Amino acid sequence: QSALTQPPSASGSPGQSVTISCTGTSSDVGGYNYVSWYQQHPDKAPKLMIYEVTQRPSGVPDRFSGSKSGNTASLTVSGLQAEDEATYYCSSYASSNSYVFGTGTKVTVL
Amino acid sequence: QVQLQESGPGLVKPSETLSLTCSVSSGSMNSYYWSWIRQPPGQGLEWIGYTHYSGSAEYNPSLKSRVTMSLDTWKKEISLTLSSVTAADTALYYCARHKAGASNAFEIWGPGTVVTVSS
Repeated sequence: QSALTQPPSASGSPGQSVTISCTGTSSDVGGYNYVSWYQQHPDKAPKLMIYEVTQRPSGVPDRFSGSKSGNTASLTVSGLQAEDEATYYCSSYASSNSYVFGTGTKVTVL
Repeated sequence: QVQLQESGPGLVKPSETLSLTCSVSSGSMNSYYWSWIRQPPGQGLEWIGYTHYSGSAEYNPSLKSRVTMSLDTWKKEISLTLSSVTAADTALYYCARHKAGASNAFEIWGPGTVVTVSS
């Protein structure tokens, strides 16, 4: 069970958009519509931002959106704001009733 | 809003068994799955396993031989034991409640508890 692959870093200026990819296999990302995304600020617990590929929990701004194509899921943050600067992790349900996380992407707001 | 709080010894010697507890502030535990997730210093997240009040549990294949989880609905606690620890088990350990339904997402997280494995 290998970690899902994310780019180490991404950046954008305030107001711009940034998209983070999350690549797995047909045994995880590609096999189930159970991809979720988490935002983690330094020294804080992760926060659920997207679940079931595209769904936003109550209270999460609609600037955050998710999608999936094949074995790759994506998180897009539109209208970047300073408070969006954080590390983002994807996660997927995987075969054998398990879960796998991505390697994490640090988003910098320039 | 339900809150989770992890607790444990902080320091564990190599080859010993780590035991952690996650306390749930309110609400029923019966409708949810509960996971443990860890994060080594400066690294990413690793799912350890989940448990459910029905008694079902699933563990990360890489840790399965060393992990046990259980749930006590009366005490409102979820426990984690990890045997034969090594320095590689040094991490911040989180408990998390899955989102209701079949969404397979970790909706509520505790603040985490640090575990250091050292003699």
